[in-house]
Amino acid sequence: AQSVTQLGSHVSVSEGALVLLRCNYSSSVPPYLFWYVQYPNQGLQLLLKYTSAATLVKGINGFEAEFKKSETSFHLTKPSAHMSDAAEYFCAVSEGVSNTGKLIFGQGTTLQVKP
Amino acid sequence: EAGVAQSPRYKIIEKRQSVAFWCNPISGHATLYWYQQILGQGPKLLIQFQNNGVVDDSQLPKDRFSAERLKGVDSTLKIQPAKLEDSAVYLCASGGAGNTIYFGEGSWLTVV
Repeated sequence: AQSVTQLGSHVSVSEGALVLLRCNYSSSVPPYLFWYVQYPNQGLQLLLKYTSAATLVKGINGFEAEFKKSETSFHLTKPSAHMSDAAEYFCAVSEGVSNTGKLIFGQGTTLQVKP
Repeated sequence: EAGVAQSPRYKIIEKRQSVAFWCNPISGHATLYWYQQILGQGPKLLIQFQNNGVVDDSQLPKDRFSAERLKGVDSTLKIQPAKLEDSAVYLCASGGAGNTIYFGEGSWLTVV
């Protein structure tokens, strides 16, 4: 069975500092991996996705993530945090071989950006 | 391109009452999903449709939840009777080609 673990339910950084949100996955087949962002009282917005092409994936708003098979990780980074990045971030996995699109989500990480 | 539309955005009901949520997916998307997101948790899949057929409803509490997508386009999720633990955001999503799922803004349910 597939699963996702997000390390750290709450991350706090200063504006301009590096953002690092951790995600580890478990999958018996090559995974498809996703990061979504959720702003207060809104739905989920796709930040980026990995679908077995390049291991370094660039997304919107300056975010990127690197797929590391040996570490079963897909951590999300951004070089310089902005106040508008404050939100809830979710890592998700779906089956890569026969991708039905069904997503398994992690518990989420709340990102706080301090001025 | 219009996104996934959901209504109502907010609903407050008493326990044992019923409620229905509506979703209209992105035009042309064959796959439609309903997720439940309880406060402080990640979304959990309730049901997945491919056109008007059910692909996965293994986590749908069928004694109280039902969903349909009769014409393979819009969908309705119903809860009857509601329990306090059903308080959550109900997210509808749709997917087309390219393995990307797009979410609506959600329907926020409070059961009192």
